[in-house]
Amino acid sequence: AQTVTQSQPEMSVQEAETVTLSCTYDTSESDYYLFWYKQPPSRQMILVIRQEAYKQQNATENRFSVNFQKAAKSFSLKISDSQLGDAAMYFCAYRSSSNTGKLIFGQGTTLQVKP
Amino acid sequence: EAQVTQNPRYLITVTGKKLTVTCSQNMNHEYMSWYRQDPGLGLRQIYYSMNVEVTDKGDVPEGYKVSRKEKRNFPLILESPSPNQTSLYFCASSDLLAVERDTQYFGPGTRLTVL
Repeated sequence: AQTVTQSQPEMSVQEAETVTLSCTYDTSESDYYLFWYKQPPSRQMILVIRQEAYKQQNATENRFSVNFQKAAKSFSLKISDSQLGDAAMYFCAYRSSSNTGKLIFGQGTTLQVKP
Repeated sequence: EAQVTQNPRYLITVTGKKLTVTCSQNMNHEYMSWYRQDPGLGLRQIYYSMNVEVTDKGDVPEGYKVSRKEKRNFPLILESPSPNQTSLYFCASSDLLAVERDTQYFGPGTRLTVL
C-alpha cells in the first residue's frame, strides 16, 4: 500500500524568506501524481501545485516550486519570498494513475510566517 | 458559482444516534469523495464514487456508508456513531477527466462531535 509521510509537524519562516517543506512517499508504482494542498485557518483546501511522475521537470507555480526526486521518493515544496498569507497547514498527497479514485494524504505541516 | 456544499457545518450528537452529512455539487462532476481530517493524521479517504451508483472504499470506511443515487449528491451516513468518529469531514468533487490532474473542489467541512 502507498504511504505519504511529512516528518515536519511545524515549520516557521521569516516573511520574504524561503522555506522548504518535506514529503516522502512509498509506492511500487511507476506512474502516479503528487500534489501539495494548502489549508488556511478558514479550513478551505486549496491545490497549490501538482507533479506528474513521468515528468522529470519540476513543477513551478509562481512562488511555489517542487523538488521531485523520483528515485528517492521525495517531493518537497519550496516557497520563495514567503508572505503572511502563506501561513497555513500544507498537505502532500499521492494519487495512483492506475486507481485514480484514491487519494492519499500526508500528516500535514503547519507553516508559520513571522513578520 | 461553482461550489461543493456540506450540511450541517457543525454537529454535536450522541453515541448511536444515526446521522447523515449531506454533500452536493453544482458542477456536474462524476467524481466525489469523502475525507476525514484528524490532528497528526492528515486527511484520510473514507469513500469515493467515480459515477452514479459506483462507490468504493477508501482507507477508513469502517462505520460509514455512502450512496450515489444522483450525480450531484453524495451523502455520508453514520448508522451508529461512536466517539472515535469525532472529526472534521470534507467532501470533494472533480470532473472525471480532470481527476488525474486533481482539480478537486472541496466543501467547507463539517465538524462532527460524538459524545
